[in-house]
Amino acid sequence: ETGVTQTPRHLVMGMTNKKSLKCEQHLGHNAMYWYKQSAKKPLELMFVYSLEERVENNSVPSRFSPECPNSSHLFLHLHTLQPEDSALYLCASSLWTSGPSYEQYFGPGTRLTVT
Amino acid sequence: GQQLNQSPQSMFIQEGEDVSMNCTSSSIFNTWLWYKQDPGEGPVLLIALYKAGELTSNGRLTAQFGITRKDSFLNISASIPSDVGIYFCAGASGNTGKLIFGQGTTLQVKP
Repeated sequence: ETGVTQTPRHLVMGMTNKKSLKCEQHLGHNAMYWYKQSAKKPLELMFVYSLEERVENNSVPSRFSPECPNSSHLFLHLHTLQPEDSALYLCASSLWTSGPSYEQYFGPGTRLTVT
Repeated sequence: GQQLNQSPQSMFIQEGEDVSMNCTSSSIFNTWLWYKQDPGEGPVLLIALYKAGELTSNGRLTAQFGITRKDSFLNISASIPSDVGIYFCAGASGNTGKLIFGQGTTLQVKP
């Protein structure tokens, strides 16, 4: 595998379900990001992890819970979502040394539909 | 909060034509980036700009970091059908890792 991979690519879940999105990067990066892409809206940053520590939480509801067990893996745990949470969820990674490199590399995304 | 205004929203051009799109902000950014997104895929980084006035090329693509640090431009020369997609600008300032994205320019190329 190369680059940034995300699984699953598509997910349909009910509002009472619990599911997790997975992201893995094979680029040797040490920072990872979750973005939400909704129709007709710009990409919205959700979370930033640097060296497995969360450095940014962009006012995201608690029904979204990120986890970064190591610098190559990032998860987004989902529970009791709302229909308006349906979107493309994108993972990205970059280098972070004394500060972030803004050259972020994206995975293909998980298309989430909440019914 | 910070916002980027990207224009035009969409373009429909003939193959071989040159294309220009731009991004403006009311805030100053220290970094500007341009991405392209194909249907069903994530954005792919095209060009990164780090200095006001900087002009950088990547093949047929050329991007500029505006002198005021509040705008950036992307030009595509001699467009081809595979240039079809959505082009996003993104800006960054500070040290949080946070990128602000524009709304995107949808490009369609007629063979």
